[in-house]
Amino acid sequence: DVKVTQSSRYLVKRTGEKVFLECVQDMDHENMFWYRQDPGLGLRLIYFSYDVKMKEKGDIPEGYSVSREKKERFSLILESASTNQTSMYLCASSLAGLAGSYEQYFGPGTRLTVT
Amino acid sequence: DQQVKQNSPSLSVQEGRISILNCDYTNSMFDYFLWYKKYPAEGPTFLISISSIKDKNEDGRFTVFLNKSAKHLSLHIVPSQPGDSAVYFCAASARGGSQGNLIFGKGTKLSVKP
Repeated sequence: DVKVTQSSRYLVKRTGEKVFLECVQDMDHENMFWYRQDPGLGLRLIYFSYDVKMKEKGDIPEGYSVSREKKERFSLILESASTNQTSMYLCASSLAGLAGSYEQYFGPGTRLTVT
Repeated sequence: DQQVKQNSPSLSVQEGRISILNCDYTNSMFDYFLWYKKYPAEGPTFLISISSIKDKNEDGRFTVFLNKSAKHLSLHIVPSQPGDSAVYFCAASARGGSQGNLIFGKGTKLSVKP
């Protein structure tokens, strides 16, 4: 079974703090994604990566950065946390290539609260 | 501009009856569609998918129908069970496009009442 793990299930941080959210997958997937989920807004893509050291902006990259130094690990960084970044953060991974189904496998999520 | 729309934020169904969740899309380049199920405080889990070369895919109690001319797909759950209560997300992909990105709808919250 594919397993995607996220470093924390719940996190509380103060405004202005630097926040690191870690994601690890064990299926040798090329693609990795970071989303946030907010009520009524669905899943919004923040950043994605299709290879080590590669990254692409998603729909809402402002206030975030990412790092992918190893294939299995994709980190989301909030440079200076703000209250409007309070959300559920979801990491996902998938195989690459046209032969794939592009099915994404999700981690359990991190509920981040910024006070 | 939403490319994938789930126009019903919520749906309530009696246990044992059919649940029908709908999804519309605007991008004619989409050729693969997926449904995900999400419980509170958990990540979404893949439920069922369909390629644009098909118009129906069935897996147990779950069937997805695709109407390409109408750019519409639906998920049928028969019979509905209380454990099906969750948020359901429709997602679409253009496999010739950007590295396997999925475009998600905003979700429909299904409540199945005993």
